[in-house]
Amino acid sequence: AQSVTQLDSHVSVSEGTPVLLRCNYSSSYSPSLFWYVQHPNKGLQLLLKYTSAATLVKGINGFEAEFKKSETSFHLTKPSAHMSDAAEYFCVVSEPRRTDKLIFGTGTRLQVFP
Amino acid sequence: EAGVAQSPRYKIIEKRQSVAFWCNPISGHATLYWYQQILGQGPKLLIQFQNNGVVDDSQLPKDRFSAERLKGVDSTLKIQPAKLEDSAVYLCASSGEAGSAYGYTFGSGTRLTVV
Repeated sequence: AQSVTQLDSHVSVSEGTPVLLRCNYSSSYSPSLFWYVQHPNKGLQLLLKYTSAATLVKGINGFEAEFKKSETSFHLTKPSAHMSDAAEYFCVVSEPRRTDKLIFGTGTRLQVFP
Repeated sequence: EAGVAQSPRYKIIEKRQSVAFWCNPISGHATLYWYQQILGQGPKLLIQFQNNGVVDDSQLPKDRFSAERLKGVDSTLKIQPAKLEDSAVYLCASSGEAGSAYGYTFGSGTRLTVV
């Protein structure tokens, strides 16, 4: 069965410092992986997706993630945090024959301090 | 492009009462999903519609939850009777790409509190 584990429930950074949100996946097949962001009282928004075309995936708002098969990881990074990045972030995997059935991790709450 | 509309935004009910949520997907999106997001957890798929037919309801607690999508557009999700553990945010999403996760758009959700 497919699953993702987000290693940190909370991450706090200062504005202007790098962001690292960690995610490990479990999959019997080549996975489809995503990162979603959820701001308070707003819908989930797709940040980026891994489609097996390139291991380094660039997303919106300066975020990127690197697929590492040997480590079964798909960590999300950003070089410099902005106050507006404060939100809940979800690592997501989809089922191999049902790519539209999304399986979410438990989320990482990112706090950004001035 | 208008987003996925959901109502109400918030609902508080007593246990054993019934409640209904409404979702209006993006125009032209054939696929509609309902997810349940319990506090501290990621969303979990409850049911998926393709047009007005059910594709997957394997994780829907059918003894108390029901959903319909009349005419393949709007959808309603109902809980009857509600239990305390049903307290959650109920998210609706729609997609214009059948079988693909890449065209997903989520609504803002309905926050249900059962007391």
